[in-house]
Amino acid sequence: SQKIEQNSEALNIQEGKTATLTCNYTNYSPAYLQWYRQDPGRGPVFLLLIRENEKEKRKERLKVTFDTTLKQSLFHITASQPADSATYLCALDGGSQGNLIFGKGTKLSVKP
Amino acid sequence: NAGVTQTPKFQVLKTGQSMTLQCAQDMNHNSMYWYRQDPGMGLRLIYYSASEGTTDKGEVPNGYNVSRLNKREFSLRLESAAPSQTSVYFCASSPRLAAIGDTQYFGPGTRLTVL
Repeated sequence: SQKIEQNSEALNIQEGKTATLTCNYTNYSPAYLQWYRQDPGRGPVFLLLIRENEKEKRKERLKVTFDTTLKQSLFHITASQPADSATYLCALDGGSQGNLIFGKGTKLSVKP
Repeated sequence: NAGVTQTPKFQVLKTGQSMTLQCAQDMNHNSMYWYRQDPGMGLRLIYYSASEGTTDKGEVPNGYNVSRLNKREFSLRLESAAPSQTSVYFCASSPRLAAIGDTQYFGPGTRLTVL
């Protein structure tokens, strides 16, 4: 069955630095991968989607890469701010199941 | 435009009690989902509905039933609650099935404790 792993449970960085979060998957070749942000006590909020034929996607200070050879996606936040502190979830398509498979998330803390 | 709404926000049940979690969306989405989120486990799909009139099991359906009442509403029922069902439950919707590439819109969650 598909397996998705977000390497770090928690990541602490200094304000202004670039945060890089990793998402790895096995036993599958997803057509796309999505990233969501979740704040405490709230539901996840969609950030970016990248398809298998796309190497990179950008949105303001966010950048996502998708390496189908390494079976890995990297999520970057440049010029990070304390307001970026949250848990970030990656999700890949569940294929014939018609759903998303979520990683456990990485909790990012940006210190002033 | 409220998006996805869930009721109740919090609930405490005793073992063996039943309850229904309500979910509604006002975005005219075809597909709806129920997830549970537990510490260290991430989001796990319980049931989903690709379109009005259809429902399918997800990863962890045991102990739950669902009803797609109409295009807007998708309810989750616990017939006989167990402590293992203590969790945060999220409802989500998408224009079409997420497998096609549509993003999901989540509700605020229901925090359920079963004693």
